[in-house]
Amino acid sequence: GAVVSQHPSWVICKSGTSVKIECRSLDFQATTMFWYRQFPKQSLMLMATSNEGSKATYEQGVEKDKFLINHASLTLSTLTVTSAHPEDSSFYICSALTGPTYEQYFGPGTRLTVT
Amino acid sequence: AQSVAQPEDQVNVAEGNPLTVKCTYSVSGNPYLFWYVQYPNRGLQFLLKYITGDNLVKGSYGFEAEFNKSQTSFHLKKPSALVSDSALYFCAVRAYQTGANNLFFGTGTRLTVIP
Repeated sequence: GAVVSQHPSWVICKSGTSVKIECRSLDFQATTMFWYRQFPKQSLMLMATSNEGSKATYEQGVEKDKFLINHASLTLSTLTVTSAHPEDSSFYICSALTGPTYEQYFGPGTRLTVT
Repeated sequence: AQSVAQPEDQVNVAEGNPLTVKCTYSVSGNPYLFWYVQYPNRGLQFLLKYITGDNLVKGSYGFEAEFNKSQTSFHLKKPSALVSDSALYFCAVRAYQTGANNLFFGTGTRLTVIP
């Protein structure tokens, strides 16, 4: 099946710094990727939809200047958390869309801890 | 509007007994329905999906789900639970006709299989 990777799998950063998370589709091309955020013991919250070569579409309440998304190629999307704060600490999961039935494949997630 | 309800936060079942994890949905048009499983600190793994055809869908690890249009339900089932099935299970829906490609997730059900 289709494989989606994320890097890093976990990261600790200091308040005020920026962190970049990469999401790659390893064996397929993904014109659309999604970024989700998951709080402990909660469901996935869609943050934004990323389309290759165009600006990301952010969900209501998600700060686009804080969570920068770039989808520069058909196999790579990046999420940059700018000026991170402790409340940005969370589990970030990306997924890529592919196939005739638009199946979503999920990455393993990135745990961000901001100290 | 699309929504998914998983009425049980927690389901406990004895090893070897059948298990059911409930899911109901609300969507405009024909639904695409999915079940995913999440192990601690991991991304989501695809279990099964219903797009069209037989209402009973068989998926990975012996799981199956039955699509019931009249009850707008898509309950996940397994005839004999294993301790290794203990995880967090998410039901998700996509309304393809709306043109929205992203999935809407339920709040998740934590399954604990007791040895």
